[in-house]
Amino acid sequence: QKEVEQNSGPLSVPEGAIASLNCTYSDRGSQSFFWYRQYSGKSPELIMFIYSNGDKEDGRFTAQLNKASQYVSLLIRDSQPSDSATYLCAPGDFNKFYFGSGTKLNVKP
Amino acid sequence: DTGVSQNPRHKITKRGQNVTFRCDPISEHNRLYWYRQTLGQGPEFLTYFQNEAQLEKSRLLSDRFSAERPKGSFSTLEIQRTEQGDSAMYLCASSGPGVGEPYEQYFGPGTRLTVT
Repeated sequence: QKEVEQNSGPLSVPEGAIASLNCTYSDRGSQSFFWYRQYSGKSPELIMFIYSNGDKEDGRFTAQLNKASQYVSLLIRDSQPSDSATYLCAPGDFNKFYFGSGTKLNVKP
Repeated sequence: DTGVSQNPRHKITKRGQNVTFRCDPISEHNRLYWYRQTLGQGPEFLTYFQNEAQLEKSRLLSDRFSAERPKGSFSTLEIQRTEQGDSAMYLCASSGPGVGEPYEQYFGPGTRLTVT
């Protein structure tokens, strides 16, 4: 069974701060890495994806990937209360994805 | 494009009964996934279709579970002889060309199953 490890949190940050979410994975064959946001009682929605080593930025979000260390992270700049949710890391091989248990983020006004 | 839809949204059944869920993916999408999610956990992969072909199935999946996608459009997930441990949210997702990134999965609202 492929393992995906995330700190369950909750991670609490003040509004306007940077939130840093981390994820490690066991499957070295993983080729694609997705970050999903899930609000309580709702389905996951895609935030970011990254395929290559390095950083990828999209608005307030930056995904960082280090395949050698089997580590992927998500940075949220200028955190807003509306960012409060559970963030799920999902490495995969395009056909199959393994989700972590997620990190719960609380952004305090 | 109306998104991914799932029916029913809620299902309560007695242990030992069979249940069937339906998923209608985004029409342009050729890939369809089923997941199961319990409280405090991330979605657990169950199975994957490309068009009508079932290409992946979790080894953790009991043979009481079966899924079909007969015409490469909608899919059904059947659970036979339900057990209390089957209580969970069952999520369907689709991906493919035409809408979003090729491997971006769009999730449906889920079917919440309660086995009493």
